Amino acid sequence: DAGVTQSPTHLIKTRGQQVTLRCSPKSGHDTVSWYQQALGQGPQFIFQYYEEEERQRGNFPDRFSGHQFPNYSSELNVNALLLGDSALYLCASSPDLAGAAYNEQFFGPGTRLTVL
Amino acid sequence: AQSVTQPDIHITVSEGASLELRCNYSYGATPYLFWYVQSPGQGLQLLLKYFSGDTLVQGIKGFEAEFKRSQSSFNLRKPSVHWSDAAEYFCAVDYGGSQGNLIFGKGTKLSVKP
Repeated sequence: DAGVTQSPTHLIKTRGQQVTLRCSPKSGHDTVSWYQQALGQGPQFIFQYYEEEERQRGNFPDRFSGHQFPNYSSELNVNALLLGDSALYLCASSPDLAGAAYNEQFFGPGTRLTVL
Repeated sequence: AQSVTQPDIHITVSEGASLELRCNYSYGATPYLFWYVQSPGQGLQLLLKYFSGDTLVQGIKGFEAEFKRSQSSFNLRKPSVHWSDAAEYFCAVDYGGSQGNLIFGKGTKLSVKP
């Protein structure tokens, strides 16, 4: 059973460019969350997608947008890249089980984005 | 603002020694509490979690954590550290069971001396 996969592994962009990161959730999971982990920091929640809609959003500007496809995979798009967007971007998937005390998130290995 | 504090940025212990990593969360309703481990080039792996009930929880790889409501703490412990435990450890909380919006501490890097 493949876990959460992300592509690409590494990416280098220049300021002002746009980038798209991709995530395939763990089999059986229908919820995808994205996190940004700057160097030396803990991950910060960007947003969460469920049923192809953004369900929750953290404190990130509109330059950060996402999409979820019918097969539950997801994309994170960042426009007008800034140097400060350099980070490891983590995708996490979880099931949405009614009645569960908590639906555990499983993390992918991340995409390392460098903005020059 | 809700926050998680991990006071120790870097800890070095000898192999076989005991370990305690500290975590404090901002006061409020008892959140869901988690400890994750991240090895270089890897994603986050869940070590253990606390939702309710027994305040001492057991996790994978011989780790345990104790929830202390009076101290708003959820410290991670291991009786005997192995060299393979060297990694970065993150404490995280989820307030209100939002099931997605995890708030992470800044992490504690663990080095293990032979």
